[in-house]
Amino acid sequence: DQQVKQNSPSLSVQEGRISILNCDYTNSMFDYFLWYKKYPAEGPTFLISISSIKDKNEDGRFTVFLNKSAKHLSLHIVPSQPGDSAVYFCAANAGANSKLTFGKGITLSVRP
Amino acid sequence: IAGITQAPTSQILAAGRRMTLRCTQDMRHNAMYWYRQDLGLGLRLIHYSNTAGTTGKGEVPDGYSVSRANTDDFPLTLASAVPSQTSVYFCASSEQLGTDTQYFGPGTRLTVL
Repeated sequence: DQQVKQNSPSLSVQEGRISILNCDYTNSMFDYFLWYKKYPAEGPTFLISISSIKDKNEDGRFTVFLNKSAKHLSLHIVPSQPGDSAVYFCAANAGANSKLTFGKGITLSVRP
Repeated sequence: IAGITQAPTSQILAAGRRMTLRCTQDMRHNAMYWYRQDLGLGLRLIHYSNTAGTTGKGEVPDGYSVSRANTDDFPLTLASAVPSQTSVYFCASSEQLGTDTQYFGPGTRLTVL
């Protein structure tokens, strides 16, 4: 059973517009959530994270929102840039000494 | 600082052969991980190590073994490769197991024929 779900495999957005990448989870023990970004032929790199004690975390053009009651988080990229085109993985874990569980990833394409 | 290095970059392997993927980190991280990435399946954890001398099984451990003789190295061995092990393999590390950010290597693309 998939505990971290990224149900949309791909998203295409116009440059300058907002990109919204969604992620749902089923394990109520998850309390820390991360987004990783991956370019082709490279390893994933950490982008942004959020703890369950918060509902929003912002870092420049990237904002992650967490809705614990809905077991849903989203990554907003504003404004989107062509260099943001990559695969984005949502991940979650249940605190100290637990391992990350990744979603399947979503491919974002930002059109110039 | 190199971070995490993996070798080889890519490899084509005959089924039944033994193969070891190498991973080295220079960040003195306690925890290390091996993932495989497959189209439509995302990143799946194969094995992990909490600290030197200890290892644990992840989501898809069958057919793979690991060792952690020291802090820096975490090799992944396929004792007898099968075509279903064709994948891209990523090694990662973090300061501790848990909420610490994981840093990934560049990956090894393995094809088993």
